[in-house]
Amino acid sequence: GAGVSQTPSNKVTEKGKYVELRCDPISGHTALYWYRQSLGQGPEFLIYFQGTGAADDSGLPNDRFFAVRPEGSVSTLKIQRTERGDSAVYLCASSWTTDSPLHFGNGTRLTVT
Amino acid sequence: GENVEQHPSTLSVQEGDSAVIKCTYSDSASNYFPWYKQELGKGPQLIIDIRSNVGEKKDQRIAVTLNKTAKHFSLHITETQPEDSAVYFCAATTGANNLFFGTGTRLTVIP
Repeated sequence: GAGVSQTPSNKVTEKGKYVELRCDPISGHTALYWYRQSLGQGPEFLIYFQGTGAADDSGLPNDRFFAVRPEGSVSTLKIQRTERGDSAVYLCASSWTTDSPLHFGNGTRLTVT
Repeated sequence: GENVEQHPSTLSVQEGDSAVIKCTYSDSASNYFPWYKQELGKGPQLIIDIRSNVGEKKDQRIAVTLNKTAKHFSLHITETQPEDSAVYFCAATTGANNLFFGTGTRLTVIP
């Protein structure tokens, strides 16, 4: 079946601009996660949703980052006033429940120039 | 929070030989330990996982061992093949899939 889908696969933006990254989880998965992976590093947790609500947003680096999942399926990660340090691969993952294994998408590579 | 250390950072083995990657964790409350394989341009793919009530788990050529007392766990790949070449990440969590990842091991299997 279809896996986790992330769009766009690549995004180049100028410093100070606003970006939105989209994630389509595996159908039926109730839990959805956002991670960020810098070059040569392991993924770092940002936020996760159980259904429509953000159950844990402790990994968001600052208030420029925000994520929504209004209908409990697709999620959007929003970054305001982008900075060069935001450049990374943003990974989305989903799972049946919070106790089930995570399935990752291929990520969105964000480059802030 | 949890701190996961992973070594070696790079590992080269001859095809057919075994590969071992080791991780340590700091939070004794961690109870779930997955291993992911990541190929270039792809997202991490779960290859095996283990929970804290089990000491060892095996799936064909891949096995994971867990020592809760010492707070370390290891990935063992036997009879390595060129397609095993990738970056491998260990991770740990106390629950809810808020995973803390190691820094990765780049495995190269030489034909």
